[in-house]
Amino acid sequence: KQEVTQIPAALSVPEGENLVLNCSFTDSAIYNLQWFRQDPGKGLTSLLLIQSSQREQTSGRLNASLDKSSGRSTLYIAASQPGDSATYLCAPDRGSTLGRLYFGRGTQLTVWP
Amino acid sequence: DAGVTQSPTHLIKTRGQQVTLRCSPKSGHDTVSWYQQALGQGPQFIFQYYEEEERQRGNFPDRFSGHQFPNYSSELNVNALLLGDSALYLCASSLGTFYGTQYFGPGTRLLVL
Repeated sequence: KQEVTQIPAALSVPEGENLVLNCSFTDSAIYNLQWFRQDPGKGLTSLLLIQSSQREQTSGRLNASLDKSSGRSTLYIAASQPGDSATYLCAPDRGSTLGRLYFGRGTQLTVWP
Repeated sequence: DAGVTQSPTHLIKTRGQQVTLRCSPKSGHDTVSWYQQALGQGPQFIFQYYEEEERQRGNFPDRFSGHQFPNYSSELNVNALLLGDSALYLCASSLGTFYGTQYFGPGTRLLVL
């Protein structure tokens, strides 16, 4: 069974800092890994998708890396802003099971002005 | 281009009742997955529908059932509601195979009293 752990559970920083959010998973036989953002009481917004053949993906101030062999992914957020405040979730999937996503509890990020 | 839509947004039921939640996938998507997210937890996979059939199922009792219609929209039915069924129910859509991004709707908040 795939277990996903995200560290830290919560993070509170002043704006402008560069951030590192960590995700680890127990089963390295994954196909994709997605990073999502969730605002309180809302649905999930997809940020980045990394396919197993890739090692990283970038979108604006966000960069995500994937190391399947060690079961780790890292989300870097550059020059954080108050609007980045949200819960960040990583979700690996196993292609053989039609893309079922496995989630941890996420990292709750607060960026204050 | 409409994203994933869900209805209703909020719902209050009492124990023992039955509930039906609805989801319309993103335009062009044919696969719908349902997730349950309890407060403070990550989403948990309930089941996935593709070509009007349940393709895979998570660790949820038979009280949870679903349906997919020819237009790819989907329903989630929960019978004999328990207090523990109170959660945010999320629908995600994707295109057939498991190689792409999954897009989530805003969710339905269910409260069981």
